Amino acid sequence: SQTIHQWPATLVQPVGSPLSLECTVEGTSNPNLYWYRQAAGRGLQLLFYSVGIGQISSEVPQNLSASRPQDRQFILSSKKLLLSDSGFYLCAWNIRTDTEAFFGQGTRLTVV
Amino acid sequence: DAKTTQPPSMDCAEGRAANLPCNHSTISGNEYVYWYRQIHSQGPQYIIHGLKNNETNEMASLIITEDRKSSTLILPHATLRDTAVYYCIVRAPAANFGNEKLTFGTGTRLTIIP
Repeated sequence: SQTIHQWPATLVQPVGSPLSLECTVEGTSNPNLYWYRQAAGRGLQLLFYSVGIGQISSEVPQNLSASRPQDRQFILSSKKLLLSDSGFYLCAWNIRTDTEAFFGQGTRLTVV
Repeated sequence: DAKTTQPPSMDCAEGRAANLPCNHSTISGNEYVYWYRQIHSQGPQYIIHGLKNNETNEMASLIITEDRKSSTLILPHATLRDTAVYYCIVRAPAANFGNEKLTFGTGTRLTIIP
């Protein structure tokens, strides 16, 4: 069966520090991968999506970047965190555009 | 993805049927309607999807109007654990190139009242 792993679950980082959040999917090949951010009390904002290794589409200009070094690995990074980067970050995958998406349990990032 | 419109919040009494509406008036003929829900501080969970016909599974029923411009998610006997934000989205089949991105609106915050 397919599973998605996202870590860490919570993270407190100082302003100006780097960030690396990792997401891996097991049990499938060539998934579409997604990173979302959810600010407190807000909806899901799509940040990045990827249809294959090295193929990243960015939805919003921001302080973050994403990479897909392996087929089932998706990494969200920042060189210098801002206070506004605080939020709940979710990774998701699906196998086709018309199939259901499966989400990780999320990382709650607090930038202090 | 086609734009969807949902009420920002709804209340429902425990044990009653919760009916969550969604408008998708610009939906294309080959786009599916999907529903997800997000319980506080968790990742969204898939509930159900459909194209034209009404659908039912162990979690909910999905009623799609004949013109497909709106749909209703029905939770037949709501429990306190159904309190969550419910998202309605529409998705095109994989044959539509460039349609990979998966966007969510702000959803409906459903509160089940004891």
